[in-house]
Amino acid sequence: ETGVTQSPTHLIKTRGQQVTLRCSSQSGHNTVSWYQQALGQGPQFIFQYYREEENGRGNFPPRFSGLQFPNYSSELNVNALELDDSALYLCASSPPGTGSYNEQFFGPGTRLTVL
Amino acid sequence: GDSVTQMEGPVTLSEEAFLTINCTYTATGYPSLFWYVQYPGEGLQLLLKATKADDKGSNKGFEATYRKETTSFHLEKGSVQVSDSAVYFCALIPNTGNQFYFGTGTSLTVIP
Repeated sequence: ETGVTQSPTHLIKTRGQQVTLRCSSQSGHNTVSWYQQALGQGPQFIFQYYREEENGRGNFPPRFSGLQFPNYSSELNVNALELDDSALYLCASSPPGTGSYNEQFFGPGTRLTVL
Repeated sequence: GDSVTQMEGPVTLSEEAFLTINCTYTATGYPSLFWYVQYPGEGLQLLLKATKADDKGSNKGFEATYRKETTSFHLEKGSVQVSDSAVYFCALIPNTGNQFYFGTGTSLTVIP
């Protein structure tokens, strides 16, 4: 069984640019959540996608947006990058079923550096 | 709002020492509680969880008990190994929500 995968592993952008990060959920999982983990901090919830619709959002501005595809993979897009966007971006997938929100399986993350 | 506060690190222990990492939470209702571990350069791995009061989660020698009366979920291990060196995160998910709330993490280094 393949776990959650993310691409790319590392990325360097400059301020004002746009970036797209990708996540493939674990087989059989239909829910994807994205988190931002700044250096030395715990992950912060960005948003969640379920059946291709946004299903909850944390305290992040609209320039953070996402998509989920029919195969349940997902993208995180960040526009107008700022220096503070430098972080590890984590994707987590969850299986279907009652109480499944408890089961979130994390990928290895994408390290984004904004210069 | 919902939040998690955990013991600040870094923590350095000798091999076979006893480990405790404190975690307290604030939440309405009955959240589920978790400990995640993050090894250098990797994502988060679920270590253990507890979904109701007085539940004890355990895995790989680590244990934590869901204490509603003290709103705590302290992580313990009786004898740490060098391979336990990592960052440990306490987290909760509200019973009516769908997002995790994480603590800031506690870095553990175990020396031989």
